[in-house]
Amino acid sequence: QQQVKQSPQSLIVQKGGISIINCAYENTAFDYFPWYQQFPGKGPALLIAIRPDVSEKKEGRFTISFNKSAKQFSLHIMDSQPGDSATYFCAASISGSRLTFGEGTQLTVNP
Amino acid sequence: SAVISQKPSRDICQRGTSLTIQCQVDSQVTMMFWYRQQPGQSLTLIATANQGSEATYESGFVIDKFPISRPNLTFSTLTVSNMSPEDSSIYLCSVGRLAGSTDTQYFGPGTRLTVL
Repeated sequence: QQQVKQSPQSLIVQKGGISIINCAYENTAFDYFPWYQQFPGKGPALLIAIRPDVSEKKEGRFTISFNKSAKQFSLHIMDSQPGDSATYFCAASISGSRLTFGEGTQLTVNP
Repeated sequence: SAVISQKPSRDICQRGTSLTIQCQVDSQVTMMFWYRQQPGQSLTLIATANQGSEATYESGFVIDKFPISRPNLTFSTLTVSNMSPEDSSIYLCSVGRLAGSTDTQYFGPGTRLTVL
């Protein structure tokens, strides 16, 4: 199976709060899990990525948590800011080949 | 990373016509991909553009509808042929297998296509 399931579809968070987006996959051959951020009218921009040999990766306010046994990974945005309001996509690939994307989460951070 | 440009950035086309989208990268890259993003939707891979050979198409996409060229390691084109309103989407070029970041894919700004 090549699907990646993402939830929630939309998320509203207050400024300073924590935004959490979850993804689940079926194909155990996936070995690379990136998150992309997309603003309206722009192409997706790589935010952070993780490999399955690591359970957590943090870059600034963004953290990926990875649970290999559950085949799930999540994005946590700490101290969420209005400028973080965008659509977020999780994805997965095998050895840098084609990306399989989740359905996307529209995040709104209220001031 | 890589700097990726796409032309045109947007276009409005008539039904039955064709549009060719260009993707230019500022460095040689191993892999180039073309994705489609329908309004409010996620990204779907159309094909992998192979340098010097025919593109590899995903299920549901065919060469007659989406011919792709990749004459060298920095340039590719995607043509949307015999367009219908259902082809209205954002078309995105991405590159991968860069030296030092073999798994990472970077995306261009996209081409927003509206078919009337």
